[in-house]
Amino acid sequence: AQSVTQLGSHVSVSEGALVLLRCNYSSSVPPYLFWYVQYPNQGLQLLLKYTTGATLVKGINGFEAEFKKSETSFHLTKPSAHMSDAAEYFCAVRGNNNDMRFGAGTRLTVKP
Amino acid sequence: DAGITQSPRHKVTETGTPVTLRCHQTENHRYMYWYRQDPGHGLRLIHYSYGVKDTDKGEVSDGYSVSRSKTEDFLLTLESATSSQTSVYFCAISRDRAEISYTFGSGTRLTVV
Repeated sequence: AQSVTQLGSHVSVSEGALVLLRCNYSSSVPPYLFWYVQYPNQGLQLLLKYTTGATLVKGINGFEAEFKKSETSFHLTKPSAHMSDAAEYFCAVRGNNNDMRFGAGTRLTVKP
Repeated sequence: DAGITQSPRHKVTETGTPVTLRCHQTENHRYMYWYRQDPGHGLRLIHYSYGVKDTDKGEVSDGYSVSRSKTEDFLLTLESATSSQTSVYFCAISRDRAEISYTFGSGTRLTVV
């Protein structure tokens, strides 16, 4: 069965610093991987997704993620954090029934 | 998202009472999902539907039932609410199996006292 593990439940960075949120996956088939963002009291919004092809995926708001099969990783990065990036981020993998399997989430805090 | 609406947005109910949450979509999407979100667990699938009257269980289905009599509505029922069902519930939709990402509703915060 497919699953993801997010490393670090809380990450704190200074404004302008690099953002790195870690996600490792487990899948017996080539995975479809996703990052979602959740702002307070809202639903989840898709940041980016990897299906096939280019392993570096660019998403909205300047985020990108790189699929590394050898490391079973799909880490999310942004070169320069902005205060508006403060939110909870979820990594997810598509399951066999077209369902989405989510990680536990990483809360990103951005300090001024 | 304007295409998917959850109601109510907030509810407080007593232990042992039945509760029904509604998800309504205007996108004519085939797949609909109910998730619950709890700290430290992320989102976990409760039930999903792949068409009218076609539903299946997810990872945490005990204590929950669902119904889908119309394409646009997917109902989640807690037959006898317990405190462990205090959570935030999200509905999501996807067009079909080829549509690989979801659109989420804004959630229902349920408190069972």
